Amino acid sequence: DAKTTQPPSMDCAEGRAANLPCNHSTISGNEYVYWYRQIHSQGPQYIIHGLKNNETNEMASLIITEDRKSSTLILPHATLRDTAVYYCIVRNTGRRALTFGSGTRLQVQP
Amino acid sequence: KAGVTQTPRYLIKTRGQQVTLSCSPISGHRSVSWYQQTPGQGLQFLFEYFSETQRNKGNFPGRFSGRQFSNSRSEMNVSTLELGDSALYLCASSLGLAQGGGGELFFGEGSRLTVL
Repeated sequence: DAKTTQPPSMDCAEGRAANLPCNHSTISGNEYVYWYRQIHSQGPQYIIHGLKNNETNEMASLIITEDRKSSTLILPHATLRDTAVYYCIVRNTGRRALTFGSGTRLQVQP
Repeated sequence: KAGVTQTPRYLIKTRGQQVTLSCSPISGHRSVSWYQQTPGQGLQFLFEYFSETQRNKGNFPGRFSGRQFSNSRSEMNVSTLELGDSALYLCASSLGLAQGGGGELFFGEGSRLTVL
């Protein structure tokens, strides 16, 4: 699976959009971009995934660049409950295991 | 529907002992994978089972083993415990899709093992 690079930490004001970047410059054509988050001491929670098109669900939006070498997870209106470690993962089709990096620790400030 | 259930949630063992952790996946999910989380190494993949067969294995010593039953429930076992095995052990289940990136994984709350 391709390696990902994320900033170690970010701050965001409550109610504002949180934009979390991820670099995956070695991604190959059959690899998907997945985002998970882990709130302290809980199991990771699936957020969203995509291949090459932008995706949106009730939790977030995923913007993938045209060359697929980077992506951004957008939490449109961050709340204090969004404070967590966010993991960007590149996953090969058919490989069900996830390779977690260090993630980005997002702190939402009141 | 019920989520992924892991038991026990907390346990304390001493060096040299062995431990068995249990995971009940979401109903209908056939893939179960296990992860170890420590402050130093982060989240690391242990192994994955699908239809009672181990499909993938991470880079862990043979002291770590697992199995999956016909009802998709899974157990993992760690023998001859070492201090460094203290960790949060997470189980995740999924439909086990072969396409579409594999589908989302649903994680349990984990079993926190402390080795003294």
